[in-house]
Amino acid sequence: NAGVTQTPKFRVLKTGQSMTLLCAQDMNHEYMYWYRQDPGMGLRLIHYSVGEGTTAKGEVPDGYNVSRLKKQNFLLGLESAAPSQTSVYFCASRRGGTGGPSSYNEQFFGPGTRLTVL
Amino acid sequence: GENVEQHPSTLSVQEGDSAVIKCTYSDSASNYFPWYKQELGKGPQLIIDIRSNVGEKKDQRIAVTLNKTAKHFSLHITETQPEDSAVYFCAALNSGGYQKVTFGTGTKLQVIP
Repeated sequence: NAGVTQTPKFRVLKTGQSMTLLCAQDMNHEYMYWYRQDPGMGLRLIHYSVGEGTTAKGEVPDGYNVSRLKKQNFLLGLESAAPSQTSVYFCASRRGGTGGPSSYNEQFFGPGTRLTVL
Repeated sequence: GENVEQHPSTLSVQEGDSAVIKCTYSDSASNYFPWYKQELGKGPQLIIDIRSNVGEKKDQRIAVTLNKTAKHFSLHITETQPEDSAVYFCAALNSGGYQKVTFGTGTKLQVIP
């Protein structure tokens, strides 16, 4: 199993450009998440999905859109990139269900995408 | 919503000493508290977790304690080794519903050989 993979690993954009970050998981997980990580601020949730065809806003959704057309993929889009979106982006997935053992709750993270917006 | 505070932000210990990282949470409905370790250039990885019906959990050199009344939980690493050097994140969530995890701001642990 590859686990959670992210594409690309690095990207530099100019202000106003658009791009899509791809997250893929091969664990048949129901839940998927997009986070951004900034120095001193930990991991902040951008958007998440509780199943194929569903998406929901997280803590910092402005300037981002997402889609979950296939269960294994979760796409994060930036329509018009801004310097404030310079960050490291992590995707995560979780098996799903409520309560239950740790195997239901553990989030598996991808290796991250480092994005710089000039 | 949930708010998780984590201290200290940086921690340096001598190899072999113990390290303690503390977190507090605000939502009394939170009932699952994982700890993640993030090595340089990698995504966070779960190292231990605890549920609200348990006061302490150990896994070899790592232990987590939970005080529900005070809404405190802590990570304890004994006999630290250089490979323990990483950023550690605490988190809290309510395992009912859709489980939006709230993370602490992280602690950078440096173990000095």
